[in-house]
Amino acid sequence: DIQMTQSPSTLSASIGDRITITCRASQSIVNWLAWYQQKPGKPPKLLIFKASYLESGVPSRFSGSGSGTEFTLTISGLQPEDFATYYCQQYISYSPYTFGQGTKLEIK
Amino acid sequence: QEQLQEAGPGLVKPSETLSLTCTISGAPISSYYWNWVRQAPGKGLEWIGNIFYNGRTKYNPSLKSRVAISGDFSKNQFSLRLSSVTAADTAVYYCARNYGDSGSSYFGMDLWGQGTAVTVSS
Repeated sequence: DIQMTQSPSTLSASIGDRITITCRASQSIVNWLAWYQQKPGKPPKLLIFKASYLESGVPSRFSGSGSGTEFTLTISGLQPEDFATYYCQQYISYSPYTFGQGTKLEIK
Repeated sequence: QEQLQEAGPGLVKPSETLSLTCTISGAPISSYYWNWVRQAPGKGLEWIGNIFYNGRTKYNPSLKSRVAISGDFSKNQFSLRLSSVTAADTAVYYCARNYGDSGSSYFGMDLWGQGTAVTVSS
């Protein structure tokens, strides 16, 4: 199975900050990677697919990059509604899907 | 409006089988993978498995011996059965979809149900 490792597990930041979350795959997943945002008591929300494509309706302050085994999610200019938990997920065709363990973004 | 809605018992006894159904409304069935994902209290997301609209299934290897996902797409539904449950199966269970063809999925899971909480306890 492909293991996904996110870092950091917790991130403290302020309104207006630019933050980056990293996700590493145990083997190449090309660009078959999605990022999700989850708030307490709610289902995850798709932000990014194919590593760098912004889902419709998602603010442009969210961006994704990377390929192969290393990927990043960047939020430029944090807004109050961005404080949540973020997950990466790989979905390469020959492997079962796996999620990263999550990154909790907290207000500093 | 496209929606997914999970339904099933909120309490299951240990060693019994957990059965959930996801009803699809307002959304096309074909060209999608239909997934089950769960989240134990205070934990992260765990993918359980999926079914393509042609009936092909794929499962999480750690659950494969206990899981069965089936579809009755004429009724706009797909289902999860998880056998021999223990307290470790206590979680919120979500259904979700992602677009693809018979070989690959192309996008992430863009539509999710609200989730249904299942507790395993005697």
